Amino acid sequence: EAQVTQNPRYLITVTGKKLTVTCSQNMNHEYMSWYRQDPGLGLRQIYYSMNVEVTDKGDVPEGYKVSRKEKRNFPLILESPSPNQTSLYFCASSPEVFRSDTQYFGPGTRLTVL
Amino acid sequence: GESVGLHLPTLSVQEGDNSIINCAYSNSASDYFIWYKQESGKGPQFIIDIRSNMDKRQGQRVTVLLNKTVKHLSLQIAATQPGDSAVYFCAETWLGFQKLVFGTGTRLLVSP
Repeated sequence: EAQVTQNPRYLITVTGKKLTVTCSQNMNHEYMSWYRQDPGLGLRQIYYSMNVEVTDKGDVPEGYKVSRKEKRNFPLILESPSPNQTSLYFCASSPEVFRSDTQYFGPGTRLTVL
Repeated sequence: GESVGLHLPTLSVQEGDNSIINCAYSNSASDYFIWYKQESGKGPQFIIDIRSNMDKRQGQRVTVLLNKTVKHLSLQIAATQPGDSAVYFCAETWLGFQKLVFGTGTRLLVSP
């Protein structure tokens, strides 16, 4: 089954404790992206990757890092999480960036930073 | 389910009615637009898209209209069903770039 998986689905952590949210897709997609979703603000793009070893900042990259060492994986790293990073996070992938009809979103990760 | 928006504008319709959801986009350089549906506890799901060289595109029960003059996008859902209840987002991007900018969303509530 074609899918994007994220882990963990729910995480409660404390300020400053490094964490990684994993994202994996099994469709050999080149484009992957991370978004955060906050009430009243919709989805905002954090980082995206056009292919292996190619990443770039979205609209809200501060406080986040990503890596794309393999095509299937695109982890989101919070080196020193802060309470303003409490949010719902979505990973997405698509064969090519302008084919939104074949863009898949993961199920979401609810992160709470205390 | 996940709370995607505590203060979203809400459109309430009766089953069988036609629904119109509106979106104002921000970037006059945007030339590709997408509508997504997000059900509670799930990620966004593609509905329909339109490029800026078109002003109307139809899918199954859905139609997207684009007015570039006033930077306005709308999604029309015909014969709305309870299963259409969700939050709907528009998104814009521009050819040659890789960023996708989402609107804040509209909640559609369909009562039987």
